Amino acid sequence: KAGVTQTPRYLIKTRGQQVTLSCSPISGHRSVSWYQQTPGQGLQFLFEYFSETQRNKGNFPGRFSGRQFSNSRSEMNVSTLELGDSALYLCASSLAPSGLNQETQYFGPGTRLLVL
Amino acid sequence: SQQGEEDPQALSIQEGENATMNCSYKTSINNLQWYRQNSGRGLVHLILIRSNEREKHSGRLRVTLDTSKKSSSLLITASRAADTASYFCAAGGYSGAGSYQLTFGKGTKLSVIP
Repeated sequence: KAGVTQTPRYLIKTRGQQVTLSCSPISGHRSVSWYQQTPGQGLQFLFEYFSETQRNKGNFPGRFSGRQFSNSRSEMNVSTLELGDSALYLCASSLAPSGLNQETQYFGPGTRLLVL
Repeated sequence: SQQGEEDPQALSIQEGENATMNCSYKTSINNLQWYRQNSGRGLVHLILIRSNEREKHSGRLRVTLDTSKKSSSLLITASRAADTASYFCAAGGYSGAGSYQLTFGKGTKLSVIP
């Protein structure tokens, strides 16, 4: 079974631009979570989607948004990019919402975003 | 705020030795998970221990959980060079707003010297 895939793997943007990252979960998985990883703040939870609905949300500004499609693929969007948004963005999928039965999350390789 | 805090931040051992990493968290949890990350890549799930469990084994991994002390430890026995990676604990629980999430620590960087 193919793992979680994320595209693109690397991205360079400038301040003020917006960016869209994509995540395809493992086949059959319906829950997708997004995380941001930076050297300073570590790994931080952004949001989780299940059945096209945002189920959980971390403490990030409204510039960070996401959505999930009927095939469970998910996208996250960051508008008005700031230098501090430079990070590795990780997507993880699970069969069901992560909190429901304490599901194991399977992570993709991440998208490394650099904001100049 | 981060719930999990790993200790030590970095650990260097010889191949064959055991490696122990500790994690502390702040609030009540449903579970405590450990992940491995190789050099800026995605995370690999290692083991999950539920809040009503005290110890769990998986191959060369042994995890303990002490909810009274809000702490967990990960022991890797008979370490190998391939175990070189960063290890993260993640506290799974509900925030004040009722939202379930994994809250990660900053990780322990383990180097296993051949």
